[in-house]
Amino acid sequence: DAGVIQSPRHEVTEMGQEVTLRCKPISGHDYLFWYRQTMMRGLELLIYFNNNVPIDDSGMPEDRFSAKMPNASFSTLKIQPSEPRDSAVYFCASRQDRVGSTGELFFGEGSRLTVL
Amino acid sequence: GDSVTQMEGPVTLSEEAFLTINCTYTATGYPSLFWYVQYPGEGLQLLLKATKADDKGSNKGFEATYRKETTSFHLEKGSVQVSDSAVYFCALSDRGNTGFQKLVFGTGTRLLVSP
Repeated sequence: DAGVIQSPRHEVTEMGQEVTLRCKPISGHDYLFWYRQTMMRGLELLIYFNNNVPIDDSGMPEDRFSAKMPNASFSTLKIQPSEPRDSAVYFCASRQDRVGSTGELFFGEGSRLTVL
Repeated sequence: GDSVTQMEGPVTLSEEAFLTINCTYTATGYPSLFWYVQYPGEGLQLLLKATKADDKGSNKGFEATYRKETTSFHLEKGSVQVSDSAVYFCALSDRGNTGFQKLVFGTGTRLLVSP
């Protein structure tokens, strides 16, 4: 399998612009997670989906952030408008829940966002 | 709620030294325990895991034993290499009635190995 695929790998934008990050989970995985990583706050869970339905979005920092999962193979995280404090690495991860599964997550390589 | 506490870094060692990174957890159910590693500029990769008490996870010379009595999952390696320099995350995923819940991560421990 190709693993979790994220795009873009790097994004540099100016304050106020809209940013869209994309994720393709591993085929057959029914959970998808969005994390944010910064030096100050470490790894933060933003939102996660089960079978394309958002389960917990309590980690989404504010209304400027939104996430969708229109189908089992695609999810987006959107920031509108972006601010410099949104600069971080955003990770997508997926997981399969079947009999015998152990709960581990598979991570993408991340999208590094810089907001100037 | 569930939580993971791991030792603060950075941990600085010379090549071939013995490594221990402490990790303790609190959980209400029957968690699986994990160590993830993040190399510079990359995403997190699963290093090893253990799913029940007394299980030992091992990979690439690293080991960790699931100790329910001390609620610990310390990471060890007998002889570190420069290539082991990375950030290590301890994590748990608790098993509720509806399956595994979200993964809870520790804050990460940076390991620096010098030649």
